[in-house]
Amino acid sequence: EAGVTQSPTHLIKTRGQQATLRCSPISGHTSVYWYQQALGLGLQFLLWYDEGEERNRGNFPPRFSGRQFPNYSSELNVNALELEDSALYLCASRLYGRVNTEAFFGQGTRLTVV
Amino acid sequence: KQEVTQIPAALSVPEGENLVLNCSFTDSAIYNLQWFRQDPGKGLTSLLLIQSSQREQTSGRLNASLDKSSGRSTLYIAASQPGDSATYLCAVNLAGTYKYIFGTGTRLKVLA
Repeated sequence: EAGVTQSPTHLIKTRGQQATLRCSPISGHTSVYWYQQALGLGLQFLLWYDEGEERNRGNFPPRFSGRQFPNYSSELNVNALELEDSALYLCASRLYGRVNTEAFFGQGTRLTVV
Repeated sequence: KQEVTQIPAALSVPEGENLVLNCSFTDSAIYNLQWFRQDPGKGLTSLLLIQSSQREQTSGRLNASLDKSSGRSTLYIAASQPGDSATYLCAVNLAGTYKYIFGTGTRLKVLA
């Protein structure tokens, strides 16, 4: 069974541009989480989607947005990129509605803003 | 606000030692706690999930305990190996929000 897959693996953008990151959850999982891991910092919660809706959002500006598609895959969009947006972006999936199920993470997208 | 702390921040041990990694959290209103490992520049690999009603969970050389009332969890690694070298993270799943709040991590190095 395929795990959580993220694309692209690496992404280099110029300040001010937009970045789009993609995540495919494990088959059957309806919840997708996005986290940011900046160098030397911990994992910061960005967004949580389930059944196509945004369920919760972390303390990030509105230029961080996303969506979840009918097949439960998800996109994270970052507009007006800033240098400090450079980080590893991690996506996780789990079964919603069952509180005691594991979250599984992808390998991440390394975003570099120059 | 839930805060998750891990001690020690870094640990270097010779191969074969038994290890204890600590995780503490400030709010006991959690659904579960999960331990992960992260290799440099990589994603997270799930190690163990402990439900809020459980006290302990085991997988191979790993054993995790949970004392929800005191806000503590420990990850015990038996007979450590160089391949265990990684950063270990604990995360609590907040009741009501389903958000995962991560600890600061313990960077482990096992010397051959």
